[in-house]
Amino acid sequence: AQSVTQLDSQVPVFEEAPVELRCNYSSSVSVYLFWYVQYPNQGLQLLLKYLSGSTLVKGINGFEAEFNKSQTSFHLRKPSVHISDTAEYFCAVSGEGQNFVFGPGTRLSVLP
Amino acid sequence: GAGVSQSPSNKVTEKGKDVELRCDPISGHTALYWYRQRLGQGLEFLIYFQGNSAPDKSGLPSDRFSAERTGESVSTLTIQRTQQEDSAVYLCASSQSPGLSYNEQFFGPGTRLTVL
Repeated sequence: AQSVTQLDSQVPVFEEAPVELRCNYSSSVSVYLFWYVQYPNQGLQLLLKYLSGSTLVKGINGFEAEFNKSQTSFHLRKPSVHISDTAEYFCAVSGEGQNFVFGPGTRLSVLP
Repeated sequence: GAGVSQSPSNKVTEKGKDVELRCDPISGHTALYWYRQRLGQGLEFLIYFQGNSAPDKSGLPSDRFSAERTGESVSTLTIQRTQQEDSAVYLCASSQSPGLSYNEQFFGPGTRLTVL
C-alpha cells in the first residue's frame, strides 16, 4: 500500500522569501511522484511530476522538486515566492498498477 | 471539451434526500476518477473508471454512494439518503488512455455539496 505524508499543514512565508514544502511517501513498488496546486475556489492543476531520470524536476511557475529515493522524499521548492503562490499544495504518489494517493495538503500563505 | 466540467457547481440539499453529481471528462480520456475533499482536508479517493473495465469502487465510503459512467464519457456520482457528513467538495478528474498511473490527472472545478 502507498501513502503520502505532508508534515506541514500550513506554511506562512513572506513575499520574495524561499519556501520548501515537504513530502514523504511510502511504497512497495517503483513510484511516480506529483505535485498539484489548488488555487482558492479552483480545481487542482499539475505543477510537476517525477517519472524517471533526473531527480531534479522543474515545473511551472518557478517551482522545482527533488526526488530522494533513500529518504523517500519529494520536497517542493521555490527560491522566491509571490503573493500569487498562495494556494493549497498536494503531493501525490502512484506506481505501475497503482491508483493515485494524495497527501493531506499544505496551505502556503504568502504574506506581503 | 476544453477541460473537465462538473455540474452543478453548488448543491444544497436536505438530510435524507438523494443527489446526483455530474462529470464531463476531457474528450478521449478513458480514465475517470471521483474524489471527495472535506473542508480543510486532502483528497479522498472514491472510485475509478478505466475504459470498459470494471470500476475500482474501493474508496466508496458506504453503499449510499454509487457511480456510473456511460462509455468513455459522462459520469454521475449518486449519493442516496444524504447525511450531514457527506458535505464536501466532490472532484472529478480524467486522464489519457490507457490511463496509466504516470499520466497526469486533469481536474474539474468540483461540486460543493452542503447537506443541511
